[in-house]
Amino acid sequence: NAGVTQTPKFQVLKTGQSMTLQCAQDMNHNSMYWYRQDPGMGLRLIYYSASEGTTDKGEVPNGYNVSRLNKREFSLRLESAAPSQTSVYFCASSTLAGAKNIQYFGAGTRLSVL
Amino acid sequence: GQQLNQSPQSMFIQEGEDVSMNCTSSSIFNTWLWYKQDPGEGPVLLIALYKAGELTSNGRLTAQFGITRKDSFLNISASIPSDVGIYFCAGQHIAGNTPLVFGKGTRLSVIA
Repeated sequence: NAGVTQTPKFQVLKTGQSMTLQCAQDMNHNSMYWYRQDPGMGLRLIYYSASEGTTDKGEVPNGYNVSRLNKREFSLRLESAAPSQTSVYFCASSTLAGAKNIQYFGAGTRLSVL
Repeated sequence: GQQLNQSPQSMFIQEGEDVSMNCTSSSIFNTWLWYKQDPGEGPVLLIALYKAGELTSNGRLTAQFGITRKDSFLNISASIPSDVGIYFCAGQHIAGNTPLVFGKGTRLSVIA
């Protein structure tokens, strides 16, 4: 019963480095999401994928790219990391059951950009 | 972007006290959800509400979907130390795979 799995759990980057955050879900969910969480800001949506093969921008997409690799996996890429991207990143997934769209979250990736 | 107004931002309470927090919006939601985030973890769903006026309990937690569909509250009765964490409300405007809108969270501290 893994649910939503994020890797890595922690990462330190230097300004300008690139990296990819991985997310996989084993619940056969159609939709997947990437959020960032900063102190006092709550959860802000970066990108989401309503279904396999589609991606859409959220509230704060600048500086990020995503790939919905297949139904299970949704990755988030930072091409040139900046200190402003220091944050905790959460992946989530959801599916429709009638009108019930409930998101399930991973444990997060804690990223520091120096 | 769209935001929910969640209050209070933080609370310090004595163990055994009751707690109340709420979220309001300027627009109508069809779904209200309440999540809890423990330190170092991702948010976990506590209660989901789907109908205006709906009142739902989960143990010591009770949440209501406001009759105007623009607000929701969460009550915690007889708080215990493990209630510590950040509580988030989230709303969805229409049924479907549209993203949730999250409040900024209420940080709860319980003093034993």
